[in-house]
Amino acid sequence: GAVVSQHPSRVICKSGTSVKIECRSLDFQATTMFWYRQFPKKSLMLMATSNEGSKATYEQGVEKDKFLINHASLTLSTLTVTSAHPEDSSFYICSASSRWDEQFFGPGTRLTVL
Amino acid sequence: AQRVTQPEKLLSVFKGAPVELKCNYSYSGSPELFWYVQYSRQRLQLLLRHISRESIKGFTADLNKGETSFHLKKPFAQEEDSAMYYCALKGWGGKLIFGQGTELSVKP
Repeated sequence: GAVVSQHPSRVICKSGTSVKIECRSLDFQATTMFWYRQFPKKSLMLMATSNEGSKATYEQGVEKDKFLINHASLTLSTLTVTSAHPEDSSFYICSASSRWDEQFFGPGTRLTVL
Repeated sequence: AQRVTQPEKLLSVFKGAPVELKCNYSYSGSPELFWYVQYSRQRLQLLLRHISRESIKGFTADLNKGETSFHLKKPFAQEEDSAMYYCALKGWGGKLIFGQGTELSVKP
């Protein structure tokens, strides 16, 4: 089956620093990758949709300058949380899909900002 | 408007009892609906989608357009069914809109 990995699985950083999270599709080419944020026992909130080679489309209320998304290849997308603050602490999940197909989810990255 | 509502945050049943997890949606057009499951400390995974009309792990879900519902059912719950369940709607651009999730707890 299709496998999506995320790195790192957890990260702790100081307030004001930037953190990069990688999302990789290991055995298929992902034309589209999605980034979600999940709070404990809560729903997944879509942050942005990224298509390979083009700018990401952000959902309403998501700051594009704070959450930088790059989708440089068909197997890699990155989310950079810039100048992180404690309120950015969350579980970040990516998913990947080939054109119109099922989304496959990564295992998530736990971000803790001190 | 595109919206998915799961009215129950927590559903607790005993092993062997029937289970129904409710999901209602709002969508202008022909909806494509899914159920995802997230077991403890594991990634989100697809449980079933309405277009395939299949039964996975004994779960079924029928799309009722008149009631705009896509409830998930299982006749006899098992302890290993305990997990978070999310109903999702495929919206414009292929993005998924998730409900708030229902935690299913199956007691022995």
